[in-house]
Amino acid sequence: EVQLLESGGGLVQPGGSLRLSCAASGFTFSSYAMTWVRQAPGKGLEWVSAISGPSGNTYYADSVKGRFTISRDNSKDTLYLQMNSLRPDDTAVYSCAKGRSSSSYAALDIWGQGTMVTVSS
Amino acid sequence: DIVMTQSPDSLAVSLGERATINCKSSQSVLYSSNNNNYLGWYQQKPGQPPKLLIYWASLRESGVPDRFSGSGSGTDFTLTISSLQAEDVAVYYCQQYYTIPLTFGQGTKVEIK
Repeated sequence: EVQLLESGGGLVQPGGSLRLSCAASGFTFSSYAMTWVRQAPGKGLEWVSAISGPSGNTYYADSVKGRFTISRDNSKDTLYLQMNSLRPDDTAVYSCAKGRSSSSYAALDIWGQGTMVTVSS
Repeated sequence: DIVMTQSPDSLAVSLGERATINCKSSQSVLYSSNNNNYLGWYQQKPGQPPKLLIYWASLRESGVPDRFSGSGSGTDFTLTISSLQAEDVAVYYCQQYYTIPLTFGQGTKVEIK
């Protein structure tokens, strides 16, 4: 069964850091682009960052550029999101999603359940 | 950035009736070299992650009931639920994946009348 499982969320003070992980199973992880999408409470979906399949090219939303870093460890079938200088408006459920191809320009066909990140003092 | 605008924001449809959701992009998401529209539709039920329904604007994802269909090209797209079922109550989002940043519409909430 194809599955994505996020972890690493929690409560952090403004200016703090968190690292999210997304463990993948059931597919050839290295062959597909992976994406982080967030959803603030009661709000819509916001694309955050993506990393292509084998090439590992990375992309970021302007709102997180310079603060967040996406990476992947294909030997561990795991996607990461390092989040620094967190702000209250980063509060959201963060979900990882698998692209339908190795390119980041693709629909997202498998989603994890998400992990909650709360930035508050 | 490409802005995706959905209409309506919400709609209530009787069971068995047709539901239609529109999505308009601020610029074309049709890639001329392969004639593909870089547009997807997702369904999100309360407490669940989004589920891909349609990709390339009109191709149904595996396992998605055939009452769901997508159409349109360029900047104007439509998701149609031909005969609304109780389990279709959800928020529906369109998304363009033509250019970075990938962007979503604001969502359309579908309820039973």
